[in-house]
Amino acid sequence: DIQMTQSPSSLSASVGDRVTITCRASQGISTYVAWYQQRPGKVPKLLIYAASTLQSGVPSRFSGSGSGTDFTLTISSLQPEDVATYYCQNYNRAPYAFGQGTKLEIK
Amino acid sequence: QVQLQESGPGLVKPSETLSLTCTVSGGSISSSYWNWIRQPPGKGLEWIGFIYYSGSTNYNPSLKSRVTISVDTSKNQFSLKLSSMTAADTAVYYCARGSVTLDYWGQGTLVTVSS
Repeated sequence: DIQMTQSPSSLSASVGDRVTITCRASQGISTYVAWYQQRPGKVPKLLIYAASTLQSGVPSRFSGSGSGTDFTLTISSLQPEDVATYYCQNYNRAPYAFGQGTKLEIK
Repeated sequence: QVQLQESGPGLVKPSETLSLTCTVSGGSISSSYWNWIRQPPGKGLEWIGFIYYSGSTNYNPSLKSRVTISVDTSKNQFSLKLSSMTAADTAVYYCARGSVTLDYWGQGTLVTVSS
């Protein structure tokens, strides 16, 4: 099975900061990666798929990149509403594992 | 706008079988794949499996021996059965649409395993 490892596990940043979260796959998965945002007490929300394609309605401050085994989610200017846990997901091959999550807080 | 709603018991006894149903509204179930995902309290997401409207399925190997997902196109519903429940299966169970990426989710239902 493909394992997805995110770093860091938690992150604290200031409003306006550029934030980067990394996800590493245990084997190459091309660009078959999605990113989800889960705000506290809420349902996960699809942000990005195909490693870099923004889901409709998602603010342009979110971006994704990478291919093969290494992927990143970037928030160009952190906003208070971005406080959430972020998950990457492999969808190259079942089981479609999620990363363990990165909890993002505001300083 | 597609909406999904989970329904089922909030409490299950150890060794029993969990049965959950997801009702789809605002769209036809006969047009996509339909998933179950779970999240233990305070932990991350685990993909359980999906079903296509035709009935073909794909399960997480870690749960495959205990999982059955089925679909009822006449009711626009799909269901999850998870047998031999233990405390480790306590989680919020979500249904979601998508062949691989999950664009619409239900609100989730908390299932607690306890005697």
